[in-house]
Amino acid sequence: DSGVTQTPKHLITATGQRVTLRCSPRSGDLSVYWYQQSLDQGLQFLIQYYNGEERAKGNILERFSAQQFPDLHSELNLSSLELGDSALYFCASSGERGREGGELFFGEGSRLTVL
Amino acid sequence: AQSVTQLDSHVSVSEGTPVLLRCNYSSSYSPSLFWYVQHPNKGLQLLLKYTSAATLVKGINGFEAEFKKSETSFHLTKPSAHMSDAAEYFCVVSDRSTYKYIFGTGTRLKVLA
Repeated sequence: DSGVTQTPKHLITATGQRVTLRCSPRSGDLSVYWYQQSLDQGLQFLIQYYNGEERAKGNILERFSAQQFPDLHSELNLSSLELGDSALYFCASSGERGREGGELFFGEGSRLTVL
Repeated sequence: AQSVTQLDSHVSVSEGTPVLLRCNYSSSYSPSLFWYVQHPNKGLQLLLKYTSAATLVKGINGFEAEFKKSETSFHLTKPSAHMSDAAEYFCVVSDRSTYKYIFGTGTRLKVLA
């Protein structure tokens, strides 16, 4: 158990809809990272938050947004969903007590299926 | 700029034989390097990490990796493969100045009975 919790584990929705994925980082970790994993694109970095502030952006679409709340949990919002958004979305955390550069701890992922 | 290349997308070995998964990296600064394993429909789990201490790093489940600066390599090895090692393996480099993590494209390990 990595200590990172993601909900929901599975989600099935229709094109054009909006969903929210939630991540609770490991206790004490200040950084949250979001990744998308699909068969054709592999593991893609989406966005990183550190202690509530956006730290880095990767290949995140404009239809997607994220935030990190004061209690350090994070949400990834996906809107106007398309078939190609079907993927496994991972959250990872690091930075215990502000110490960065260590390993990432991954959640089990949220599998999104867009029909 | 950082980059990481996993030289094989698929590797097949027989149970009980050695495993070698190759990873080359490029980093402007002193890197941290990691190997992660992902079993089907699971999250990524850390196997081992290099953070400028000993160049030979031992990880979980009998895996180890050697940091070779002159060759910019961080290959993952295991003396004897087990069926449970069948999974996807990711090599990751982190630049300690930016704390960005760059993932390789993954190597799928198949273990034959």
